[in-house]
Amino acid sequence: EVQLVESGGGLVKPGESLRLSCAASGFTFSTYTMNWVRQAPGKGLEWVSSITSSSSYIYYADSVKGRFTISRDNAKNSLSLQMNSLRAEDTAVYYCAREAYSSSLAYFDYWGQGTLVTVSS
Amino acid sequence: DIQMTQSPSSLSASVGDRVTITCRASQSISSYLNWYQQKPGKAPKLLIYAASSLQSGVPSRFSGSGSGTDFTLTISSLQPEDFATYYCQQSYSPPRTFGQGAKVEIK
Repeated sequence: EVQLVESGGGLVKPGESLRLSCAASGFTFSTYTMNWVRQAPGKGLEWVSSITSSSSYIYYADSVKGRFTISRDNAKNSLSLQMNSLRAEDTAVYYCAREAYSSSLAYFDYWGQGTLVTVSS
Repeated sequence: DIQMTQSPSSLSASVGDRVTITCRASQSISSYLNWYQQKPGKAPKLLIYAASSLQSGVPSRFSGSGSGTDFTLTISSLQPEDFATYYCQQSYSPPRTFGQGAKVEIK
């Protein structure tokens, strides 16, 4: 059974840092592109970042570029998101999501349960 | 970046109704369009990928159509468990942008 379990969320002050983790199991983690998607309270989904299977390609949303860093450890089946210089607008539930493909068409087929990050003084 | 616009943003419907939600891309995205369902406090769930392919385990009352810039999600006969928010997402190019969501509420 595919499982994605996020951890590391919490309450931090503006300007502080936080590191999120996503533990993957039930599939060959090293062969999948992985993503972070967030959802501010009462708002819609916002894609944050993605990393290909071997970390060759990494993408960020403009809203987090230069502040967030995505990484993965294929030996530990783990995905991470290092978040620096946090702002109030980064307050959200953060989901990790697996990216699957049908031919060349990508979609997010499995999602974790999410971890809440609150940035407030 | 490719912008995704859904309409309506919310709708009220009754059990048994046929419901249609549309999604428009700011440029052609071929069939690189996915649909997700999200219930309060839960993670999104994939319903449709590649514009019209039903994800395994998803009831056949859900269907998707369209290509290029205009897409549709249809629920043929709304069930109580279908009251939720629905999001489209393009996977044509990064960033993998989502629509703003369409909330389906009980009439």
